Amino acid sequence: ETGVTQSPTHLIKTRGQQVTLRCSSQSGHNTVSWYQQALGQGPQFIFQYYREEENGRGNFPPRFSGLQFPNYSSELNVNALELDDSALYLCASSLYRGEGEKLFFGSGTQLSVL
Amino acid sequence: GQQVMQIPQYQHVQEGEDFTTYCNSSTTLSNIQWYKQRPGGHPVFLIQLVKSGEVKKQKRLTFQFGEAKKNSSLHITATQTTDVGTYFCAGPGETSGSRLTFGEGTQLTVNP
Repeated sequence: ETGVTQSPTHLIKTRGQQVTLRCSSQSGHNTVSWYQQALGQGPQFIFQYYREEENGRGNFPPRFSGLQFPNYSSELNVNALELDDSALYLCASSLYRGEGEKLFFGSGTQLSVL
Repeated sequence: GQQVMQIPQYQHVQEGEDFTTYCNSSTTLSNIQWYKQRPGGHPVFLIQLVKSGEVKKQKRLTFQFGEAKKNSSLHITATQTTDVGTYFCAGPGETSGSRLTFGEGTQLTVNP
């Protein structure tokens, strides 16, 4: 077990709705990264939070947003859900080194958009 | 942008056979990481390679980082059913040092 917890584990939404996913990082870690993994694909980087600030963003539209709290937990918010947003959303915590840090993934939230 | 490619996409082996997956990056990498994802699970860190030409072993798993630091491989000797899963390589992104760009993965099935 990594100590990274995500909630909820599964979620079903309809197109146009908004969703918030939550992540608690492993003790001692100060960085949270979010990844989207479509079925049969590798994880795609959404963004990373370090010291409560966004610290890098992948090729995702602004309707994907996030927060990091003082206890290093994090939220991923997605507005105006689209069918293609259906995927496994993975949160990964790490201890920030600027490059090459090992990621500890949570079990993910499986989001289905109907 | 940076691309990380893996081959093969799928590999089916009989238990006891060897398995190799190959990873190629479009850019030189400062380091490369390997992760394993069991069916229905989440990626789990296996190893990180940093030096050109580096070879690391973990029991039946052998990891290599190419001399040019653009390719890597994972070799499993005498596969077991517990090796089933998808193996991903991942390298640092171009614009943000701590993000990872993952390959598409190689899905390994092992027939007992």
